[in-house]
Amino acid sequence: TQLLEQSPQFLSIQEGENLTVYCNSSSVFSSLQWYRQEPGEGPVLLVTVVTGGEVKKLKRLTFQFGDARKDSSLHITAAQPGDTGLYLCAGESGSNYQLIWGAGTKLIIKP
Amino acid sequence: DAMVIQNPRYQVTQFGKPVTLSCSQTLNHNVMYWYQQKSSQAPKLLFHYYDKDFNNEADTPDNFQSRRPNTSFCFLDIRSPGLGDAAMYLCATSSGPSLKPQHFGDGTRLSIL
Repeated sequence: TQLLEQSPQFLSIQEGENLTVYCNSSSVFSSLQWYRQEPGEGPVLLVTVVTGGEVKKLKRLTFQFGDARKDSSLHITAAQPGDTGLYLCAGESGSNYQLIWGAGTKLIIKP
Repeated sequence: DAMVIQNPRYQVTQFGKPVTLSCSQTLNHNVMYWYQQKSSQAPKLLFHYYDKDFNNEADTPDNFQSRRPNTSFCFLDIRSPGLGDAAMYLCATSSGPSLKPQHFGDGTRLSIL
């Protein structure tokens, strides 16, 4: 069974600090997606990483896919209260229609 | 804007009383998903459709059924809700496998009295 483990499960920091959240597996994924979910809303896709070692930037968010395509990280620089939410990683393997979901990192940025 | 719309946003039902949740999409995606999500946990896939081809997850309780009468609409029926079925139910669509993102509705929060 493929699993994605996210860490930390919960993170509360002050505005302006930097942070990194991790998404790890013992399995290889053909791609990995990161979503952010705000309270009372559905998850929204942030980025998809495909190539081992790939780095993608979305403003203050930097996403990296591990060389072996088994892990990924999300780094936020100078976090803002608007970054608050549940960050979910989801991996794709094979050619089916399903994603393997991590349990998420709940992030709170305090003003 | 093209989107995924779930109704109602909040649903309260009584223990054992059947309930139906609905999802509509204007994206014309051929894949639709129903997820159950509890309290800041990962979404748990219940089932998905590729067009009318229905795929049930092995651990989805028989209490949960689904219908997809056409491309745009999908329904989740819970025949006899129990207290453990209280959750957020998310509908999502995708244009296919392989690198295609899932587009989520804002969910229906189901409460069981």
